[in-house]
Amino acid sequence: DGGITQSPKYLFRKEGQNVTLSCEQNLNHDAMYWYRQDPGQGLRLIYYSQIVNDFQKGDIAEGYSVSREKKESFPLTVTSAQKNPTAFYLCASSTPDRYSPLHFGNGTRLTVT
Amino acid sequence: AQTVTQSQPEMSVQEAETVTLSCTYDTSESDYYLFWYKQPPSRQMILVIRQEAYKQQNATENRFSVNFQKAAKSFSLKISDSQLGDAAMYFCAYRGNNDMRFGAGTRLTVKP
Repeated sequence: DGGITQSPKYLFRKEGQNVTLSCEQNLNHDAMYWYRQDPGQGLRLIYYSQIVNDFQKGDIAEGYSVSREKKESFPLTVTSAQKNPTAFYLCASSTPDRYSPLHFGNGTRLTVT
Repeated sequence: AQTVTQSQPEMSVQEAETVTLSCTYDTSESDYYLFWYKQPPSRQMILVIRQEAYKQQNATENRFSVNFQKAAKSFSLKISDSQLGDAAMYFCAYRGNNDMRFGAGTRLTVKP
């Protein structure tokens, strides 16, 4: 079955370390997204990519970086510059059309201590 | 930039009753889509319903329906015959030319 895989489900890191969250999709979608979810704040857009080798910053890109070398993959790196990295991270994909809903992975819970 | 506002952080409903969740949005675009997503305790995001801005007819999916008021930029979700399984976070979302924007969510509790 097609879908989006995020790994790992839980991730623990020490402050000052960079960490990369994995997101892979086999839905043949061109567009991929990263959102951060905090209690009471809904989903906030970090980065999105509408085509391979191209991506755009969302509302809260500071302290994060991404790459899109393959259509299927859109990894997110949380750098040490991110001041409050502990959160739930959701990856999504879709076709570029505005009528298409986003298909989400199961998320990664990142805890930085 | 487009914004989506959900003014009800929490709502509750008695089982079998009807509840309406509110959502407003702000945009200068004329062609866009609106969505409602459900997020149960598993945190999986599940699409509930979708509405095209150019369609005046309100979308309906079984017990879920919307009240779309384009001039007022309002997009509320009505859940009829509420069930215990409807308990979840509900997010309103807007998709225009580029990305998808979400509201802060409404936590729905269903009382038996």
